Amino acid sequence: GENVEQHPSTLSVQEGDSAVIKCTYSDSASNYFPWYKQELGKRPQLIIDIRSNVGEKKDQRIAVTLNKTAKHFSLHITETQPEDSAVYFCAASLDSWGKLQFGAGTQVVVTP
Amino acid sequence: EAQVTQNPRYLITVTGKKLTVTCSQNMNHEYMSWYRQDPGLGLRQIYYSMNVEVTDKGDVPEGYKVSRKEKRNFPLILESPSPNQTSLYFCASRGTVAYEQYFGPGTRLTVT
Repeated sequence: GENVEQHPSTLSVQEGDSAVIKCTYSDSASNYFPWYKQELGKRPQLIIDIRSNVGEKKDQRIAVTLNKTAKHFSLHITETQPEDSAVYFCAASLDSWGKLQFGAGTQVVVTP
Repeated sequence: EAQVTQNPRYLITVTGKKLTVTCSQNMNHEYMSWYRQDPGLGLRQIYYSMNVEVTDKGDVPEGYKVSRKEKRNFPLILESPSPNQTSLYFCASRGTVAYEQYFGPGTRLTVT
Protein backbone atom coordinates (compact mmCIF):
# COMPACT_ATOMS: atom_id res chain seq x y z
CA GLY A 1 0.00 0.00 0.00
CA GLU A 2 0.87 3.67 -0.11
CA ASN A 3 3.36 5.03 2.41
CA VAL A 4 3.79 8.76 3.01
CA GLU A 5 6.75 10.20 4.89
CA GLN A 6 6.77 13.78 6.11
CA HIS A 7 9.65 15.97 7.26
CA PRO A 8 10.44 17.74 9.48
CA SER A 9 8.34 16.69 12.45
CA THR A 10 8.72 20.13 14.01
CA LEU A 11 9.55 23.47 12.43
CA SER A 12 10.16 26.73 14.20
CA VAL A 13 10.25 29.90 12.10
CA GLN A 14 10.47 33.61 12.75
CA GLU A 15 7.41 35.62 11.79
CA GLY A 16 7.78 36.82 8.23
CA ASP A 17 10.11 34.00 7.18
CA SER A 18 9.17 31.11 4.91
CA ALA A 19 8.37 27.55 5.97
CA VAL A 20 8.78 24.43 3.85
CA ILE A 21 7.44 20.98 4.63
CA LYS A 22 8.35 18.00 2.47
CA CYS A 23 6.60 14.71 1.84
CA THR A 24 7.52 11.63 -0.15
CA TYR A 25 5.18 8.89 -1.30
CA SER A 26 5.78 5.35 -2.41
CA ASP A 27 3.04 4.52 -4.93
CA SER A 28 3.70 6.09 -8.31
CA ALA A 29 0.01 5.65 -9.18
CA SER A 30 -1.07 8.18 -6.54
CA ASN A 31 -2.63 11.18 -8.21
CA TYR A 32 -4.08 13.45 -5.53
CA PHE A 33 -2.05 15.24 -2.85
CA PRO A 34 -3.84 17.42 -0.27
CA TRP A 35 -2.45 19.36 2.65
CA TYR A 36 -4.41 19.74 5.87
CA LYS A 37 -3.93 22.21 8.69
CA GLN A 38 -4.95 21.28 12.22
CA GLU A 39 -5.05 23.98 14.85
CA LEU A 40 -4.88 22.99 18.48
CA GLY A 41 -8.05 21.21 19.55
CA LYS A 42 -9.62 21.47 16.11
CA ARG A 43 -10.31 19.16 13.22
CA PRO A 44 -7.97 18.94 10.19
CA GLN A 45 -9.03 21.26 7.40
CA LEU A 46 -7.94 21.28 3.78
CA ILE A 47 -5.76 24.25 2.89
CA ILE A 48 -4.52 23.35 -0.57
CA ASP A 49 -4.33 20.33 -2.84
CA ILE A 50 -2.72 19.35 -6.10
CA ARG A 51 -3.42 16.68 -8.69
CA SER A 52 -0.80 14.75 -10.58
CA ASN A 53 -1.33 16.61 -13.85
CA VAL A 54 -0.12 19.86 -12.26
CA GLY A 55 3.39 20.68 -11.03
CA GLU A 56 2.62 23.67 -8.84
CA LYS A 57 -0.36 25.41 -7.30
CA LYS A 58 -0.51 28.63 -5.34
CA ASP A 59 -3.12 30.24 -3.11
CA GLN A 60 -2.04 33.56 -1.62
CA ARG A 61 0.79 32.79 0.83
CA ILE A 62 0.74 29.02 0.43
CA ALA A 63 1.93 26.93 -2.48
CA VAL A 64 2.40 23.26 -3.19
CA THR A 65 4.86 21.73 -5.64
CA LEU A 66 4.83 18.18 -6.97
CA ASN A 67 7.68 16.21 -8.48
CA LYS A 68 6.17 13.00 -9.85
CA THR A 69 9.47 11.60 -11.00
CA ALA A 70 10.99 11.85 -7.55
CA LYS A 71 7.66 11.09 -5.85
CA HIS A 72 7.76 14.03 -3.54
CA PHE A 73 5.67 17.12 -2.90
CA SER A 74 6.17 20.14 -0.70
CA LEU A 75 4.18 22.84 1.06
CA HIS A 76 5.57 26.36 1.05
CA ILE A 77 4.29 29.07 3.35
CA THR A 78 5.64 32.56 2.74
CA GLU A 79 5.55 35.57 5.06
CA THR A 80 4.56 33.40 7.99
CA GLN A 81 2.26 34.81 10.65
CA PRO A 82 1.46 33.63 14.19
CA GLU A 83 -1.86 32.21 12.96
CA ASP A 84 0.09 29.81 10.74
CA SER A 85 1.14 27.96 13.90
CA ALA A 86 -0.50 24.53 13.68
CA VAL A 87 0.12 20.92 12.73
CA TYR A 88 0.25 20.34 8.98
CA PHE A 89 -0.45 16.97 7.36
CA CYS A 90 0.30 15.89 3.85
CA ALA A 91 -1.59 13.02 2.24
CA ALA A 92 -1.67 10.99 -0.95
CA SER A 93 -4.50 9.20 -2.65
CA LEU A 94 -4.56 6.62 -5.38
CA ASP A 95 -7.77 7.83 -7.00
CA SER A 96 -10.27 10.62 -6.95
CA TRP A 97 -12.20 9.48 -3.89
CA GLY A 98 -10.33 6.61 -2.37
CA LYS A 99 -8.25 6.21 0.73
CA LEU A 100 -6.08 9.10 1.84
CA GLN A 101 -2.76 8.00 3.33
CA PHE A 102 -1.48 10.66 5.72
CA GLY A 103 1.99 11.67 6.75
CA ALA A 104 2.83 11.86 10.45
CA GLY A 105 2.45 15.64 10.60
CA THR A 106 4.65 18.71 11.10
CA GLN A 107 4.24 20.99 14.11
CA VAL A 108 4.90 24.53 12.86
CA VAL A 109 5.59 27.24 15.42
CA VAL A 110 5.79 30.84 14.25
CA THR A 111 7.49 33.08 16.77
CA PRO A 112 6.90 36.86 16.72
CA GLU B 1 -24.54 24.06 6.43
CA ALA B 2 -22.44 21.18 5.09
CA GLN B 3 -20.97 19.30 7.99
CA VAL B 4 -19.84 16.08 9.62
CA THR B 5 -20.98 15.60 13.20
CA GLN B 6 -19.76 13.19 15.85
CA ASN B 7 -21.06 12.24 19.24
CA PRO B 8 -20.00 12.18 21.95
CA ARG B 9 -17.15 14.69 21.79
CA TYR B 10 -15.57 13.40 24.99
CA LEU B 11 -15.91 9.99 26.59
CA ILE B 12 -14.25 8.35 29.56
CA THR B 13 -15.03 4.68 29.97
CA VAL B 14 -13.69 1.51 31.54
CA THR B 15 -12.08 -1.51 29.96
CA GLY B 16 -14.58 -3.89 28.40
CA LYS B 17 -17.64 -1.67 28.38
CA LYS B 18 -19.06 -1.56 24.87
CA LEU B 19 -19.42 1.87 23.33
CA THR B 20 -20.51 3.48 20.07
CA VAL B 21 -19.36 6.76 18.59
CA THR B 22 -21.82 8.12 16.07
CA CYS B 23 -20.94 9.95 12.87
CA SER B 24 -23.32 11.68 10.50
CA GLN B 25 -22.85 13.80 7.37
CA ASN B 26 -25.37 15.90 5.45
CA MET B 27 -23.49 16.19 2.16
CA ASN B 28 -24.76 12.97 0.57
CA HIS B 29 -21.18 11.70 0.42
CA GLU B 30 -20.58 8.12 -0.60
CA TYR B 31 -17.21 7.68 1.08
CA MET B 32 -16.86 7.76 4.87
CA SER B 33 -14.02 6.74 7.11
CA TRP B 34 -12.77 6.67 10.68
CA TYR B 35 -9.33 7.71 11.82
CA ARG B 36 -7.51 7.69 15.07
CA GLN B 37 -4.92 10.33 15.87
CA ASP B 38 -2.08 9.64 18.26
CA PRO B 39 0.96 11.86 18.96
CA GLY B 40 3.71 11.31 16.41
CA LEU B 41 1.65 8.85 14.37
CA GLY B 42 -0.55 11.20 12.38
CA LEU B 43 -3.97 10.09 11.20
CA ARG B 44 -4.38 6.36 10.80
CA GLN B 45 -7.41 4.95 9.07
CA ILE B 46 -9.44 2.42 11.06
CA TYR B 47 -12.28 1.52 8.67
CA TYR B 48 -13.85 3.02 5.61
CA SER B 49 -17.04 2.67 3.63
CA MET B 50 -17.51 3.34 -0.05
CA ASN B 51 -21.29 3.25 0.14
CA VAL B 52 -24.23 1.75 2.03
CA GLU B 53 -23.50 -1.79 3.18
CA VAL B 54 -19.94 -1.60 1.79
CA THR B 55 -17.21 -1.39 4.43
CA ASP B 56 -13.57 -2.40 4.58
CA LYS B 57 -10.61 -2.39 6.93
CA GLY B 58 -8.15 0.44 7.04
CA ASP B 59 -4.68 0.33 8.55
CA VAL B 60 -5.59 -0.29 12.20
CA PRO B 61 -8.96 -2.13 12.35
CA GLU B 62 -8.27 -4.45 15.31
CA GLY B 63 -10.74 -3.93 18.14
CA TYR B 64 -13.20 -1.88 16.10
CA LYS B 65 -16.37 -2.50 14.14
CA VAL B 66 -18.41 -0.29 11.85
CA SER B 67 -21.69 -0.40 10.00
CA ARG B 68 -23.18 1.58 7.12
CA LYS B 69 -26.92 0.98 7.03
CA GLU B 70 -27.73 4.49 5.85
CA LYS B 71 -25.73 6.75 3.59
CA ARG B 72 -25.45 9.58 6.12
CA ASN B 73 -24.42 7.53 9.19
CA PHE B 74 -21.25 5.60 9.93
CA PRO B 75 -20.99 4.58 13.60
CA LEU B 76 -17.78 3.26 15.15
CA ILE B 77 -18.26 0.43 17.64
CA LEU B 78 -15.80 -0.70 20.29
CA GLU B 79 -17.13 -4.02 21.56
CA SER B 80 -14.61 -4.38 24.37
CA PRO B 81 -12.50 -1.22 24.71
CA SER B 82 -8.97 -1.47 26.04
CA PRO B 83 -6.59 1.26 27.29
CA ASN B 84 -4.59 1.17 24.03
CA GLN B 85 -7.70 2.51 22.29
CA THR B 86 -7.39 5.75 24.21
CA SER B 87 -7.08 8.25 21.39
CA LEU B 88 -8.61 11.10 19.43
CA TYR B 89 -11.03 9.81 16.81
CA PHE B 90 -12.13 11.57 13.65
CA CYS B 91 -14.88 10.66 11.25
CA ALA B 92 -14.58 11.97 7.69
CA SER B 93 -16.57 11.96 4.49
CA ARG B 94 -15.78 12.54 0.85
CA GLY B 95 -17.85 12.71 -2.33
CA THR B 96 -17.19 11.21 -5.73
CA VAL B 97 -17.00 14.49 -7.61
CA ALA B 98 -15.00 16.90 -5.45
CA TYR B 99 -11.81 15.57 -3.93
CA GLU B 100 -11.96 17.31 -0.56
CA GLN B 101 -12.40 15.19 2.54
CA TYR B 102 -14.34 16.76 5.41
CA PHE B 103 -13.61 15.87 9.00
CA GLY B 104 -15.90 15.77 12.00
CA PRO B 105 -14.97 17.66 15.18
CA GLY B 106 -13.34 14.66 16.83
CA THR B 107 -14.10 12.43 19.81
CA ARG B 108 -11.58 12.20 22.61
CA LEU B 109 -11.84 8.73 24.14
CA THR B 110 -10.17 7.64 27.35
CA VAL B 111 -10.31 3.98 28.38
CA THR B 112 -9.20 3.27 31.95
